[in-house]
Amino acid sequence: QVQLVESGGGVVQPGRSLRLSCTASRFTFSNHGMHWVRQAPGKGLEWVAVIWYDGSKKYYGNSVKGRFTISRDNSKNTLYLQMSSLRAEDTAVYYCARDRGADYFDYWGQGALVTVSS
Amino acid sequence: QSALTQPASVSGSPGQSITISCTGTSSDIGSYNYVSWYQQHPGKAPKLMIYDVSNRPSGVSNRFSGSKSGNTASLTISGLQAEDEADYYCSSYTSSTTWVFGGGTKLTVL
Repeated sequence: QVQLVESGGGVVQPGRSLRLSCTASRFTFSNHGMHWVRQAPGKGLEWVAVIWYDGSKKYYGNSVKGRFTISRDNSKNTLYLQMSSLRAEDTAVYYCARDRGADYFDYWGQGALVTVSS
Repeated sequence: QSALTQPASVSGSPGQSITISCTGTSSDIGSYNYVSWYQQHPGKAPKLMIYDVSNRPSGVSNRFSGSKSGNTASLTISGLQAEDEADYYCSSYTSSTTWVFGGGTKLTVL
C-alpha cells in the first residue's frame, strides 16, 4: 500500500522559515507528480502547490506564491515544501498527496501540523 | 482561485439518499471532467471517493456516485449508513494549472 509520511512540522514565529518533508514508499516516486494541500484548524482543504514527476514544472496557490517553494529529490523518494515569511494564517495541517494524471489526489499522508505564533 | 461552492451541511436518515452539490465556473468544473470528491473523518486524512466526475476507485462502495452538469458537480450517497457521517470536499483542476477545493460539506446521519 502506498505510504506518504510528512515530517518537519512544529511551532515557528511569524516571519521565520520552516521546511516540511514527505517521504514516499511502496510506489515508484519518480513516476508521479506530488501536491501539498493544507487545512487550517476547523477549516476546509486548500490546495498549496504541485510539482511534476521530474521536477520540471511547479505551480502554486495565490496565497503562498513567492513565499513557498516545492521541490523533490527522486533519489531519496522525498518531497519538500520550503516555507518562508510565515504568517499566522499559514497555521494548518499540511498534507502531501500523490497526483494521478494531473487530475486528482489518490493517496494522502497523515499530515504535519505547522503553527505560526509568537 | 476562488473556492468551489458547497452547502455547509446536509443530513439524512439511514437508508436514505443525499446529494451534495459543488458549483464552480467555466474555468474549472465547466471546462474539465477532472472533478473529484474526498471524504474526511475527524482527525483523519482525506480519502478519494470519486474521480473524473463519476469514477469510483477500487474499494469505494457503489453507494457513492458522481455527476456533472455545466459548472456544477454532484455527489450522491445512497443507502446512507452511520459510517458515512463525515466531511466531504469536491475538487477540480483549473485552467491556470492549479487545483481548487470546495469549502466542504458536513454530512450528518440522523
